[in-house]
Amino acid sequence: DTAVSQTPKYLVTQMGNDKSIKCEQNLGHDTMYWYKQDSKKFLKIMFSYNNKELIINETVPNRFSPKSPDKAHLNLHINSLELGDSAVYFCASSHAGETQYFGPGTRLLVL
Amino acid sequence: GENVEQHPSTLSVQEGDSAVIKCTYSDSASNYFPWYKQELGKRPQLIIDIRSNVGEKKDQRIAVTLNKTAKHFSLHITETQPEDSAVYFCAASTNFGNEKLTFGTGTRLTIIP
Repeated sequence: DTAVSQTPKYLVTQMGNDKSIKCEQNLGHDTMYWYKQDSKKFLKIMFSYNNKELIINETVPNRFSPKSPDKAHLNLHINSLELGDSAVYFCASSHAGETQYFGPGTRLLVL
Repeated sequence: GENVEQHPSTLSVQEGDSAVIKCTYSDSASNYFPWYKQELGKRPQLIIDIRSNVGEKKDQRIAVTLNKTAKHFSLHITETQPEDSAVYFCAASTNFGNEKLTFGTGTRLTIIP
């Protein structure tokens, strides 16, 4: 009954490949987010969706494309993976104006 | 855009002593300030938050203070215990958290037994 879940937990892949990370929340929240945490532990917002609509799109390469099929899901597709994409990707969700709850993270390693 | 600075980057305190972590923000429109604790290999978890209409909030051993004029807020942990060892992040947001969170750079807190 995990509130915010992500798959996969670990992802090891070669440079140039395309991969997807999935996120689901069962909290009934209307807003979902993707954050990137690099090796220095800096946490930065990438995208945010509210009711399936993109509301935040930070300066992220267009190789990254989020998709929200419904309010409970926000997936992240990454094309042509690069070494610098190696990081931990966290999904989060919230209800308007309330606490953001984070998923367990997806550890991506690009070789 | 918002810029959040956090100090110190590392902090070691003896068990039982107090720990204080400080953050400053740049956007005067920010009105929601959560603090997250992240243990090694785990997700960030909210430990306390404060909104701009309040100057101080306390929850057992944890307290947060906010100075809107100076645009800084602080986390205070009293009677520290080994399980308090973690990385702590402050964050700021406008629209009471309905917008993106801008995080500080984190403080690695080590409690020395």
